[in-house]
Amino acid sequence: QEKVQQSPESLIVPEGAMSSLNCTFSNSASQSIWWYQQHPGKGPEALISIFSNGNKKEGRLTVYLNRASLHVSLHIRDSQPSDSAVYLCAVSPGVSNYNVLYFGSGTKLTVEP
Amino acid sequence: EAAVTQSPRNKVAVTGGKVTLSCNQTNNHNNMYWYRQDTGHGLRLIHYSYGAGSTEKGDIPDGYKASRPSQENFSLILELATPSQTSVYFCASGDRVLWEQYFGPGTRLTVL
Repeated sequence: QEKVQQSPESLIVPEGAMSSLNCTFSNSASQSIWWYQQHPGKGPEALISIFSNGNKKEGRLTVYLNRASLHVSLHIRDSQPSDSAVYLCAVSPGVSNYNVLYFGSGTKLTVEP
Repeated sequence: EAAVTQSPRNKVAVTGGKVTLSCNQTNNHNNMYWYRQDTGHGLRLIHYSYGAGSTEKGDIPDGYKASRPSQENFSLILELATPSQTSVYFCASGDRVLWEQYFGPGTRLTVL
C-alpha cells in the first residue's frame, strides 16, 4: 500500500501570493501523481497530474516531481480567495488497469483578501 | 449535468440496520470506486470495480459489501451498520486510459 503524506496541514496566504504545498510518497515506481481540489461539501476534483520527473505548468499551477526524493509539490501563483479549499495529493501505483489512487490527508489552503 | 450522482445525500441509520448507498455514472467509465473520508485520514478506498459484475476489496473493506449490476451503477452495502461507519462516503468513476477519477458529491452517513 502506498503511503502519502502532505504538509503543511493548513496554509494561510494573502491574496496574490504564491501558495506552496508538499507531498511525499513511498514508492518511486508510482505511475502518476495527482492533485485534487475539494471545496466544503463537495467531491474532490482533479486539478493537475504529473507522470514524469521534472515540472509541469498549467495556468497558475506548477507541479514539481522528484522521484529520487519521493517528493512532489504544487505551487499556485497569484493565489485568489476562490483557491481556498482542501488540496489532496493522490498517487497511483498503476498496477494492472484498476487505476487505484492512494490519497494524503490534505492541506487546507486559505487565501485571505 | 453531473456525471456522477449519489443517493441519498444524507442518511441517518440505527446501529445494526442495513444501509445501501447508491452511485450512478454517465461517463461510461469501466472503473468505479467507493471511498470514505474522515478528518485526519483523507480518502480511504473501500471497494472498487472494473466492470459490471466485478467487485474488489480496497484498503478498508471490513463491514462493507459492494455490488456492480451494470456499467452505470455501483452500490455500497452496510449489512449491520455500526457507529464507527459514520462518515462521508464518496463514489468515483475512472477512465482506464487517462487514469483520472471523477467524484460524486458525497453521502453523509450518521449511524446512531
